[in-house]
Amino acid sequence: GENVEQHPSTLSVQEGDSAVIKCTYSDSASNYFPWYKQELGKRPQLIIDIRSNVGEKKDQRIAVTLNKTAKHFSLHITETQPEDSAVYFCAAPHKAAGNKLTFGGGTRVLVKP
Amino acid sequence: ETGVTQSPTHLIKTRGQQVTLRCSSQSGHNTVSWYQQALGQGPQFIFQYYREEENGRGNFPPRFSGLQFPNYSSELNVNALELDDSALYLCASSLWVQGDGELFFGEGSRLTVL
Repeated sequence: GENVEQHPSTLSVQEGDSAVIKCTYSDSASNYFPWYKQELGKRPQLIIDIRSNVGEKKDQRIAVTLNKTAKHFSLHITETQPEDSAVYFCAAPHKAAGNKLTFGGGTRVLVKP
Repeated sequence: ETGVTQSPTHLIKTRGQQVTLRCSSQSGHNTVSWYQQALGQGPQFIFQYYREEENGRGNFPPRFSGLQFPNYSSELNVNALELDDSALYLCASSLWVQGDGELFFGEGSRLTVL
C-alpha cells in the first residue's frame, strides 16, 4: 500500500522567513497530492493540492512542487506569519484502499514573531 | 451550505465497551470517509462509504464497522474497545469517490478509553 513519509516533524522559523516541508510516497501510480493545515483543536483544511500533470502550483504565499521521478513533493511557505503556525499534513491516494488518501505524520510549524 | 458535523464531540468509555459516532456530510456530498487521528500523528484511513456501501478499507480490524444512510449521513461503530482506540475520529465528506479530490472534515469526536 501507499507509504507517505513527511519531514521534518517540527519546524521553527522566524516571522518573514520561508518554511519547506517535504514528503515522499511509494506508489508510482499516485496522481493527486494535497496539503492540509490543522490548527490546534480544529479540523484539517485543504490549503493547496497538485496533480501529476504539473510540476508546480502557487497560491499567494504557498507553493507546492512535485517530482514524480523521485516520488516526492514539497510545500513551500514564503514570508511566514504567526497565523501560519499549525500542523501541516501531506497526503497521497492509497492504492490498496481503493485510492483513498493516506496522510503523512505531520509537521508542526511554529512561526516566531 | 451546511458543513460536516459530528457527534458527540467528546466521550469517555471503558475497555470492552462499544461506541457509536455520528456524522452528517456536507450538503450535496454523497461520499463519507472516516479517519482515526492518534495524538501527534496524521489521520489514518479507516473506511469509506458511498451509496450506503463500504467502498475501501484501511488496516483496521472488523470490530470497526460503519453505516451510511440514504441521506448520506454515516455512523462509525467500534466494538470491544481497547486503550489504543483512544483518538480523535474524523469524518470527511466529498464529491469524489476516488482519493483525488478535496476532503471536507468535521471537527471530530474525541474518544478516550480508560
